[in-house]
Amino acid sequence: QIQLVQSGPELKKPGETVKISCKASGYTFTNYGMNWVKQAPGKGLKWMGWINTNTGEPTYAEEFKGRFAFSLETSASTAYLQINNLKNEDTATYFCARRVGQYFDVWGAGTTVTVSS
Amino acid sequence: DIQMTQSPASLSVSVGETVTITCRASENIYSNLAWYQQKQGKSPQLLVYAATNLADGVPSRFSGSGSGTQYSLKINSLQSEDFGSYYCQHFWGTPWTFGGGTKLEIK
Repeated sequence: QIQLVQSGPELKKPGETVKISCKASGYTFTNYGMNWVKQAPGKGLKWMGWINTNTGEPTYAEEFKGRFAFSLETSASTAYLQINNLKNEDTATYFCARRVGQYFDVWGAGTTVTVSS
Repeated sequence: DIQMTQSPASLSVSVGETVTITCRASENIYSNLAWYQQKQGKSPQLLVYAATNLADGVPSRFSGSGSGTQYSLKINSLQSEDFGSYYCQHFWGTPWTFGGGTKLEIK
């Protein structure tokens, strides 16, 4: 079946780097764009951007330009989200989600990142 | 950027009641709108796409409507499994922003 399996929870200190993975299975990875969505504790969903899995070109929402990087390992059908120079406000659950046309039809279970000194 | 204003932010209702959640876009999004349901501690699940189309497996008590800048999600005869949070999201040009969410609680 079609699924996105995300890596496990992370506990990091401010200033460190984290890299989250999202492994796709059950479909052709390069046929659908991959999106990243942030959800801070007790808050709503925030679209971070997406990566074209065919070309590798990322698009970032304004708030997520600079410290955030999307990448791919196409041979492993895996997308990555890297956050550099972590800040307390990066504490959140991060979801990957497949885009089909004008909606996200498959979501990962989420990866919780906790930033604390 | 297009802003999505969702209301109400929270709603306390009883099983069997009917509820309507609305989403207003800051400009015309030409029905490029999706609705999601999120249960506590889980990932969002697609309910409706293109404003009015029910996703596979979604019960018929859910329905989406609207056009232009105003959209609604209606849930008839609420069931216990319908409680959780609901979000709209537009797809008329990036950023594909979400509404602020509606938390549906049991009265």
